[in-house]
Amino acid sequence: KQEVTQIPAALSVPEGENLVLNCSFTDSAIYNLQWFRQDPGKGLTSLLLIQSSQREQTSGRLNASLDKSSGRSTLYIAASQPGDSATYLCAVLTMDSNYQLIWGAGTKLIIKP
Amino acid sequence: ETGVTQTPRHLVMGMTNKKSLKCEQHLGHNAMYWYKQSAKKPLELMFVYNFKEQTENNSVPSRFSPECPNSSHLFLHLHTLQPEDSALYLCASSATARTIQETQYFGPGTRLLVL
Repeated sequence: KQEVTQIPAALSVPEGENLVLNCSFTDSAIYNLQWFRQDPGKGLTSLLLIQSSQREQTSGRLNASLDKSSGRSTLYIAASQPGDSATYLCAVLTMDSNYQLIWGAGTKLIIKP
Repeated sequence: ETGVTQTPRHLVMGMTNKKSLKCEQHLGHNAMYWYKQSAKKPLELMFVYNFKEQTENNSVPSRFSPECPNSSHLFLHLHTLQPEDSALYLCASSATARTIQETQYFGPGTRLLVL
């Protein structure tokens, strides 16, 4: 059974720093891996979707990588800003999950001005 | 602005009440989902509807009853809930339920408190 882990649960860094959020999964037989952002009082917003055949995806200051063999993904945020403060969730679409996303518990990120 | 709306945004109910959550998507999607999000826990998928047909029920207690009258609307009927049902209930939609190419779009959620 697929399990998705995100460590740390919370992270606080000064504005302007580059940072990396981690996501690990136990079953490498996946279709894709997705990163979402959740702001307080709001729903989830998809940031990046990496297909199993891809190694990375980029959007602006965000770069997500995928290493299926090791069961790991990272979300790199360059030149962090206070507006990046949110909870970041990782989810994988596993081949034996009947097309259901399996979610991590998230990393709560605080960017200090 | 998300194309998925949810009402109400906040709900407080007693264990003997009956209430309903509403979700509407304006994205032309054919699949809709209900998720439960409890503090510090991963999202739990509750129900999936694809082209108005329920395709998944992840062992959800019968006190939660979904309804999907058309591809744009999804309801979650609640009755005789327990305090442990207090959580954020999120609705999402996608083009279809069995896609590996596209993501899901989420509403802002209904924060439910059961007293």
